[in-house]
Amino acid sequence: GAVVSQHPSWVICKSGTSVKIECRSLDFQATTMFWYRQFPKQSLMLMATSNEGSKATYEQGVEKDKFLINHASLTLSTLTVTSAHPEDSSFYICSANLKRTSGTEAFFGQGTRLTVV
Amino acid sequence: QQQVKQSPQSLIVQKGGISIINCAYENTAFDYFPWYQQFPGKGPALLIAIRPDVSEKKEGRFTISFNKSAKQFSLHIMDSQPGDSATYFCAATTSGTYKYIFGTGTRLKVLA
Repeated sequence: GAVVSQHPSWVICKSGTSVKIECRSLDFQATTMFWYRQFPKQSLMLMATSNEGSKATYEQGVEKDKFLINHASLTLSTLTVTSAHPEDSSFYICSANLKRTSGTEAFFGQGTRLTVV
Repeated sequence: QQQVKQSPQSLIVQKGGISIINCAYENTAFDYFPWYQQFPGKGPALLIAIRPDVSEKKEGRFTISFNKSAKQFSLHIMDSQPGDSATYFCAATTSGTYKYIFGTGTRLKVLA
């Protein structure tokens, strides 16, 4: 089956520093990936759509200068949380779409737990 | 109009019982409705999905019922097991964008 891998699985950083999270589609190419944020016991909120070779599309209310997204290849998208603050602590999840003959299906990474201290 | 409303927020079911989770949507452009299972600290995993051209889809113990006119769909877990204890999310999207809108989630606990 299709696998989407995130790295790291968890990270602790100091307030004011930047953190990069990688999302890789291991066995398929994805022109589009998505980044979500999930607070404890809450739903997944779409942050942005990552498009290979072009700028990401951000959802309303998401600061694009704070959450930098780069989709440099068909198998890798990165999310960089710049100048992180404790309120940025959250569970970040990416997904990648795989087009099959039966339709398109989204596969999710295992998530990255970010804690800003 | 982009919201997907999910209920109940939490559910406790005896082993062997039926778990039922409901979702409702407003945007008639949605044409793909998946259900995801999420364990603590993990990403969501696809359980089963349905398109509006069918009213029901069954895969093993999991069944989706879809009511296009009411803009509602539900997940039924038959013969619920303790291993099914997790958070379940419904979602909706359009085939053109595949941007998923998730429901608020249902925390299911199956008692042994």
